[in-house]
Amino acid sequence: DSGVTQTPKHLITATGQRVTLRCSPRSGDLSVYWYQQSLDQGLQFLIQYYNGEERAKGNILERFSAQQFPDLHSELNLSSLELGDSALYFCASSVGPSVETQYFGPGTRLLVL
Amino acid sequence: SQKIEQNSEALNIQEGKTATLTCNYTNYSPAYLQWYRQDPGRGPVFLLLIRENEKEKRKERLKVTFDTTLKQSLFHITASQPADSATYLCALDASGGSYIPTFGRGTSLIVHP
Repeated sequence: DSGVTQTPKHLITATGQRVTLRCSPRSGDLSVYWYQQSLDQGLQFLIQYYNGEERAKGNILERFSAQQFPDLHSELNLSSLELGDSALYFCASSVGPSVETQYFGPGTRLLVL
Repeated sequence: SQKIEQNSEALNIQEGKTATLTCNYTNYSPAYLQWYRQDPGRGPVFLLLIRENEKEKRKERLKVTFDTTLKQSLFHITASQPADSATYLCALDASGGSYIPTFGRGTSLIVHP
């Protein structure tokens, strides 16, 4: 158990819909990272927040957005969902702003029908 | 373009042997490289980090080497066990310390009893 929690574990929705994925980092970790993992793309970095501020941005679509709240939990919002958004979404956390050691959560499996 | 390459073919070895996995990269100047283990449907688990000025790092049965001239890292598991069967991912930060973590597609290791 990494100490990072993600909810929900599974999500099934329809194209065009909007969903919110939630992540609670390990106690004491200030950074939260979001990743998407699909069979054809591997693990893709989406975005990082450090202590409430956006720190780094990867290949995150404009339809996706995220935020980190004062209690350091984070939410990833996915809107106007497409079939191709079906994937595993992982959250990871680390103590500081650097990605040197990340602890991954169990992931949310999203299926868009 | 920047690229990380890991052998897409599964590595099959007998229990007790040493497994060696390769990670090659191009057009990067990473400050460090990481290795993760990932089991099916689960989040990656951090194993080892090696910095650009380190040649070798060890942790129990694991050993990582980092050759910045060859742009290659080797990951060794000695005295392998069936429980070591998993996918192993290498990751590094993108050039220039941008803190954007980039992962390889991973190599599947299967240890036969």
